Amino acid sequence: GAVVSQHPSRVICKSGTSVKIECRSLDFQATTMFWYRQFPKKSLMLMATSNEGSKATYEQGVEKDKFLINHASLTLSTLTVTSAHPEDSSFYICSASAHRDTPQSGYTFGSGTRLTVV
Amino acid sequence: DAKTTQPPSMDCAEGRAANLPCNHSTISGNEYVYWYRQIHSQGPQYIIHGLKNNETNEMASLIITEDRKSSTLILPHATLRDTAVYYCIVKKKGGATNKLIFGTGTLLAVQP
Repeated sequence: GAVVSQHPSRVICKSGTSVKIECRSLDFQATTMFWYRQFPKKSLMLMATSNEGSKATYEQGVEKDKFLINHASLTLSTLTVTSAHPEDSSFYICSASAHRDTPQSGYTFGSGTRLTVV
Repeated sequence: DAKTTQPPSMDCAEGRAANLPCNHSTISGNEYVYWYRQIHSQGPQYIIHGLKNNETNEMASLIITEDRKSSTLILPHATLRDTAVYYCIVKKKGGATNKLIFGTGTLLAVQP
């Protein structure tokens, strides 16, 4: 089946530094990737959608200059949290889809990245 | 876009069937119902999806009412490993991306 690998699984960084999270589709080409954020005991909140080779589309309220998303190839998308602050500490999850515009298309999720900013 | 309503939590005895309800009364004709689950501190896992017919796979069964305003996910023989948050999602229309928007889900606790 489709597999999405997300790294790192955990990261601790100092306030003011930047952190990059990678999301790779291992056995399929992901035309679209999604990035979610999840706070403790809360549901997943969609942050942005990226299509390979084009700029990401951010959800309302998500700062695009703070959360940089790159989807340069069909198998890799990255999320960079720039100038991280303690309030950015969260569980970040990526998802990849192999098909455009089809309701039946499946979504495969990565295992998530626990970011702690100290 | 159709929204879903699920009970916040449910308990189920190990070995028994778990029946998780979902209301989606504003669903439109070509929107699908998807079910995902999230075990603590992991990424969501796809379970099943359907349009209007009942569906079954190795994980679960999905029963959709004739008017499509509600559905039930059935785990036939729940195990402790099925303890998770279960999300019922109606596939959002619009654009080229068909985003998955998660609601609050149902925390299913399988008891020994």
